[in-house]
Amino acid sequence: NAGVTQTPKFQVLKTGQSMTLQCAQDMNHEYMSWYRQDPGMGLRLIHYSVGAGITDQGEVPNGYNVSRSTTEDFPLRLLSAAPSQTSVYFCASSQGTGRVNTEAFFGQGTRLTVV
Amino acid sequence: GENVEQHPSTLSVQEGDSAVIKCTYSDSASNYFPWYKQELGKRPQLIIDIRSNVGEKKDQRIAVTLNKTAKHFSLHITETQPEDSAVYFCAASKEWGGATNKLIFGTGTLLAVQP
Repeated sequence: NAGVTQTPKFQVLKTGQSMTLQCAQDMNHEYMSWYRQDPGMGLRLIHYSVGAGITDQGEVPNGYNVSRSTTEDFPLRLLSAAPSQTSVYFCASSQGTGRVNTEAFFGQGTRLTVV
Repeated sequence: GENVEQHPSTLSVQEGDSAVIKCTYSDSASNYFPWYKQELGKRPQLIIDIRSNVGEKKDQRIAVTLNKTAKHFSLHITETQPEDSAVYFCAASKEWGGATNKLIFGTGTLLAVQP
């Protein structure tokens, strides 16, 4: 049971490039989310999903796209990278009950630098 | 939208002392409050959570208290040990109307336990 796996662990992009951060979970969790972590600002929610085919925006969605075609995968796409998107990105998943929130399990993070 | 404020941003204590971290939330509909611990270079991990139908919850040296009227919740760590040194995040979420695990985090507290 690998839990939540993110790839890559490190990435350097040039301004204007696009890329996809991968996230996969093998716990059959319904809920998945993407956060970015910046010094002094905690973890901010980018996008989240309550099931395959269902996504919604979080606190800081601009510049990012997501899709959820399967229960296991929740990729995050940067459309045109900007230096302001330099951050550590965490994917998280949790079991969906529809009634109560449950523990969120985080991936190991992707450190992204945009130059 | 929901906003979570966390204080202090840094906290230094002597080994064996107690540590208290406080959070305030803005959305009175929030009713699930988890705390996450993040060691340097690692992923956040859940240490304790509380729901709005209880005022206090304990797990060995860790306790969380909730004051719904004031919209405050706090993390208490007793008999601190060097391995408690980490960044601690509070978060808030709603369960009414359907749980989504959409977590809004505070900005984090860096706890340093001096031997």
